Order: sequence, then C-alpha cells, then structure tokens
Amino acid sequence: EAQVTQNPRYLITVTGKKLTVTCSQNMNHEYMSWYRQDPGLGLRQIYYSMNVEVTDKGDVPEGYKVSRKEKRNFPLILESPSPNQTSLYFCASRGLAGGPVELFFGEGSRLTVL
Amino acid sequence: AQSVTQLGSHVSVSEGALVLLRCNYSSSVPPYLFWYVQYPNQGLQLLLKYTSAATLVKGINGFEAEFKKSETSFHLTKPSAHMSDAAEYFCAVSARNYGQNFVFGPGTRLSVLP
Repeated sequence: EAQVTQNPRYLITVTGKKLTVTCSQNMNHEYMSWYRQDPGLGLRQIYYSMNVEVTDKGDVPEGYKVSRKEKRNFPLILESPSPNQTSLYFCASRGLAGGPVELFFGEGSRLTVL
Repeated sequence: AQSVTQLGSHVSVSEGALVLLRCNYSSSVPPYLFWYVQYPNQGLQLLLKYTSAATLVKGINGFEAEFKKSETSFHLTKPSAHMSDAAEYFCAVSARNYGQNFVFGPGTRLSVLP
C-alpha cells in the first residue's frame, strides 16, 4: 500500500530535549516536505526537499533541521525544542517525474513541548 | 511566487443546503489546483484536483470545483451538505513545472447544522 509513515504519532517532551520525527514514504517520490498546522494559521511549510541531498527552507524553518540522505526518508529534527514548537506536524511527498501530481500526507505527529 | 486565499475561515450551512467554499489563487505560470479535506483528528485527504483541460472537476463525496482562469478562482461546491461533511478544507496551488512548491491556503472550517 502506498503510504507516508510518520513516527511518533504523539509525543510529549520537555524544553531543550532533542527529538527527531521520522518520515518515510514507499512511493519512490523525489519531493518531500514538512508542514506544521496550528489553529487559525493553516499549514505552514517548514522545510522541503526536491531530491536526495537537496533541501531548502520553507516559511517557518527556525528551530528545525532536516536531512535527506535516502530518497525514502526525510526526518525532522528539533535540536532544542521550545514550547512554541508545540504543534501538529505533517510530512508529505509527491513524485516529480510523472504520475500523480498531488501531495500524499502522513497521518500527522502531535508534539507537545512543556 | 504563488499564493492562495480562502474567503471565510468558518462557514456554516444547514444539512441539505448548498456548500460553497471559495478559493482564489495567484500564480505566474499555469497552475495545478487542489482541494484537501481534513476530518477531525485525521490527516489530509485529497478531495479533487485540477490538472488540465476539463475546468469542472469532480471529486469524492459529491464535491466538485470549477477552474475559472479569468477570475483566478477554484471554488468548491456540493449541492447538498451532509453532517459528515463537517471538516476543514484546504485549497492549494502548485506550479506545473514542479519548480515551485505546494502552497496552501489558510483553510475553511465547514460546520453543518442539523
């Protein structure tokens, strides 16, 4: 089954404790992206990647890091989480070389930083 | 650069009434356009997409949208609302040449009243 898988789905952590949210897709998609969703603000892009080793900042990259060492994986790293990073995070992917043009989303990861 | 506006952060309709959710976009190149739906506590699901010639696009659950180039609009409609349509709806735009990212609108929350 074609899917985007995020882990963990739910996480409560404390300020300053590094964490990684993993994202993996099994559709051989070139493009992957991270979004955060906050009430009243919709979806805001954090980082995106057009292919392996190619990443770029989105609209709200501060406090986040990403890496794209393999085509299927695109982890989101919070080096020193703060309470303002409490949010619902979505990973998404799409192909760039033909096929469906829409974004495929993971189920979301709800993060709480105390 | 691309952008998307959605008129009305919250729309309420009665069950059985027409649903109309508005989306306007700006894009310097011919775009792909999308509507996504997010049911409570779930991820984002593709409702429908506009990619080429047919300007009236039909999606799942009885929704449809019409691409109007002259008005730069892609409004979402459903003739008769059902209680299960209560959700958040996001309009999105993407450039056809894949050189640019997906851009989401701020979302419209649809409430369906009995």
